[in-house]
Amino acid sequence: GEDVEQSLFLSVREGDSSVINCTYTDSSSTYLYWYKQEPGAGLQLLTYIFSNMDMKQDQRLTVLLNKKDKHLSLRIADTQTGDSAIYFCAECLDTSGTYKYIFGTGTRLKVLA
Amino acid sequence: DVKVTQSSRYLVKRTGEKVFLECVQDMDHENMFWYRQDPGLGLRLIYFSYDVKMKEKGDIPEGYSVSREKKERFSLILESASTNQTSMYLCATRTGSQPQHFGDGTRLSIL
Repeated sequence: GEDVEQSLFLSVREGDSSVINCTYTDSSSTYLYWYKQEPGAGLQLLTYIFSNMDMKQDQRLTVLLNKKDKHLSLRIADTQTGDSAIYFCAECLDTSGTYKYIFGTGTRLKVLA
Repeated sequence: DVKVTQSSRYLVKRTGEKVFLECVQDMDHENMFWYRQDPGLGLRLIYFSYDVKMKEKGDIPEGYSVSREKKERFSLILESASTNQTSMYLCATRTGSQPQHFGDGTRLSIL
C-alpha cells in the first residue's frame, strides 16, 4: 500500500537542531522530497534525495534516507524562528512510466525564541 | 523559476453556488494537479491532468470537476458548493519526474 507518515508537531529552541521524521511504505520510490509551507502560502520545495542515495547535505539541511527501514529524515541545523512552518515529506512513485506523488500529513515545526 | 498562479488567495461563496478556481502556469509543464489541504489530513489529490483536454480522478474527486482547455490553465469546478468543501486548495505542476511546483493556494470558505 501507499502511505507516508509524519508526526504532527515538533517544538525546538532557537539555535538547536530540528529533526523531522517520515516513514513511507512503498519501496518503488524514485525520489523523496521535503517541502516547506509557511503560513498562508503554498508548498515550497526545500530539498530532495534520489532513492539510491543515503544522505544529502545542503547548507543547514541534511537529508538521511534509510531504505531498509523506509525512513526519511530532515535535519535543520541552527534552527531559526524563520524555520517555523509545516514540513511535508513526499515520495514519487514510478508506476509504469507514470509518476505519482504521495504526501505525508505534514509536521508543524515551532521554533521558540 | 516556475510560476504557478492561482487566481484568488481567499474566496467566500454560498452553499449551492458553482465555484471556479483557476490555475495558470508559465513553464509549459504537461502535468497539472489540484489538491485540497485540511488540518491533520495533509494533501489529498482531487484531479490531475497529463495533457490538454485530458483529466484523471485523484483520491477524492466527488463533488468536483476540472477543465483543461489550454496547456497552461487548469480549472477546478465545484458544481454545487457545500460546507464540507471549505478548505485550502493547492494547484501544482510538474514535468516528467521533476519536483512538483505549487501555487500559493486558495483558501475557500463555503457559508
